[in-house]
Amino acid sequence: GQQVMQIPQYQHVQEGEDFTTYCNSSTTLSNIQWYKQRPGGHPVFLIQLVKSGEVKKQKRLTFQFGEAKKNSSLHITATQTTDVGTYFCASGTGGFKTIFGAGTRLFVKA
Amino acid sequence: NAGVTQTPKFRVLKTGQSMTLLCAQDMNHEYMYWYRQDPGMGLRLIHYSVGEGTTAKGEVPDGYNVSRLKKQNFLLGLESAAPSQTSVYFCASSYSSGSNQPQHFGDGTRLSIL
Repeated sequence: GQQVMQIPQYQHVQEGEDFTTYCNSSTTLSNIQWYKQRPGGHPVFLIQLVKSGEVKKQKRLTFQFGEAKKNSSLHITATQTTDVGTYFCASGTGGFKTIFGAGTRLFVKA
Repeated sequence: NAGVTQTPKFRVLKTGQSMTLLCAQDMNHEYMYWYRQDPGMGLRLIHYSVGEGTTAKGEVPDGYNVSRLKKQNFLLGLESAAPSQTSVYFCASSYSSGSNQPQHFGDGTRLSIL
């Protein structure tokens, strides 16, 4: 079945450094969603990308959808301790189900 | 707004016991989902429902059953709990057309099977 591979699995950064997580698929995705899960919390929807080559920004977060709609990235500029958590990408299959990547866990050292 | 509410929040079971996890949403969403989350494996879909009275299998349905008798409620049952079912269980809901709508998650149920 369809899978989305997410890398890296973990990332340790110093506060103020940038962070990027990548999501890749072998098949074309109808859309890509990004979620954030704080430690001990539940996933919270951040954004959805639908169009080829789409780029969206939310303050220090930049989300990109690849031209071939097979990959996506989330970039955080100048990380803060509040950015700590696990970031998941999730792909729409065009049907009823959403497939989640394994997530990238971000650690930020003050 | 309550959003998605899961009960209980924590539970410890012995192997072979049964239990039901409850999920309720007050957003009038058509779609509801049950996931399990294990370390390093992200969220895996157990069962889902596209409307009242309907259910379907996800990636890892074995050992679980579900029911959606009312639009706002989605129940997950474990008939005979096994240690491999120790996990964090999340319920989620979305407005429509599942994969094209954001999902709203409950706080989770942390289940341990001894």
